[in-house]
Amino acid sequence: DVKVTQSSRYLVKRTGEKVFLECVQDMDHENMFWYRQDPGLGLRLIYFSYDVKMKEKGDIPEGYSVSREKKERFSLILESASTNQTSMYLCASSGGGGGDETQYFGPGTRLLVL
Amino acid sequence: GQSLEQPSEVTAVEGAIVQINCTYQTSGFYGLSWYQQHDGGAPTFLSYNALDGLEETGRFSSFLSRSDSYGYLLLQELQMKDSASYFCAVRDSSYKLIFGSGTRLLVRP
Repeated sequence: DVKVTQSSRYLVKRTGEKVFLECVQDMDHENMFWYRQDPGLGLRLIYFSYDVKMKEKGDIPEGYSVSREKKERFSLILESASTNQTSMYLCASSGGGGGDETQYFGPGTRLLVL
Repeated sequence: GQSLEQPSEVTAVEGAIVQINCTYQTSGFYGLSWYQQHDGGAPTFLSYNALDGLEETGRFSSFLSRSDSYGYLLLQELQMKDSASYFCAVRDSSYKLIFGSGTRLLVRP
């Protein structure tokens, strides 16, 4: 079974704080993704990575950065948290081989920025 | 631009059949996926269509027409536990997905 874990289920931070969200997958997947999910907007891609130390911007990268130093770990960084970054953050991984690009999601981190 | 359109909400009765439609406009297209998400849970994969036609997996089926840029998810013999949000997603490159805004399905007794 693929397992994607995220460091926190709930997080409360103050405006201006630097925030780290961690994601770990245990299936040796090549690709990892960070999304944010807001009501009525679905899942929007922030950043993704297709290999260690490689990253690409998604649809809404502004205010975020990422780090992938190891294959199994993909971190999302909010350099200076703002109230409009209050959201649900979902990490996913894919790349099980054989053309299977099913994305497997972690449980999500609900971030509140005050 | 890239867009996926699906209804925001659908209501159906337990035991009935419901169809959730998805139309898409994307720069690339490798296939159409469907994901289910219960309240408070993570999205989970349901089905994937790369070619035209119907794919059946138990009570759920998914259809794709590439020429019409259209697909649907068909849920049969609805159960209360099927109440959830359903997202269509286009695979627009070898690994990236673009998600629709989701359809909230409410199954009534």
